[in-house]
Amino acid sequence: EVQLLESGGGLVQPGGSLRLSCAASGFTFSSYAMTWVRQAPGKGLEWVSVITGSGGSTYYADSVKGRFTISRDDSRNTLYLQMNSLRAEDTAVYYCAKDHHSSGWPRGIDYWGQGTLVTVSS
Amino acid sequence: QTVVTQEPSFSVSPGGTVTLTCGLSSGSVSTSYYPSWYQQTPGQAPRTLIYSTNTRSSGVPDRFSGSILGSKAALTITGAQADDESDYYCVLYMYSGISVFGGGTKLTVL
Repeated sequence: EVQLLESGGGLVQPGGSLRLSCAASGFTFSSYAMTWVRQAPGKGLEWVSVITGSGGSTYYADSVKGRFTISRDDSRNTLYLQMNSLRAEDTAVYYCAKDHHSSGWPRGIDYWGQGTLVTVSS
Repeated sequence: QTVVTQEPSFSVSPGGTVTLTCGLSSGSVSTSYYPSWYQQTPGQAPRTLIYSTNTRSSGVPDRFSGSILGSKAALTITGAQADDESDYYCVLYMYSGISVFGGGTKLTVL
């Protein structure tokens, strides 16, 4: 059974940093692209970033480029999102998600975690 | 800036059929965009319905189907049930490596 468990969310001041983690199990983690998606309170889903299988390539939404860094540790089956220079508009539930295609390239999410809440406020 | 478009809201009668669409502000959606569809109820994580245009995710009933209709991706729900009342999101994979979600469609079953 595929399981994705996010952690690391919490309250942080504007300009601060936070690192989210996503512990994965139930599949060959290194073979799949992994994605972070966020949802601000009362808003729709927003794609944030993706890392290809084995970490060869990373891509970011313009809204987080230069501030967020996605990475993975395939030996620990864990996905990360390092978030720096946080702003109030980064307040959201952050979801970790697994791609369905074993090519390692993003072709569509099939499994989602339950999410972790990040609140940026003074 | 590419915008992915969805109907803000839609309603369907119980037992009826509804087709939600997912388009581009400029251009046509094709299978090369690997359109996917997700269902979300308030307070819950999204659930994958369809990926790669028309492949149903594990456990998704065949009442849900995906396709390309004209210049848009489409999600069709047949035999609508009360618990289909949810928000539905599509996402398109762009050639640049990024993906973009649509704004979502709030589906009411009444």
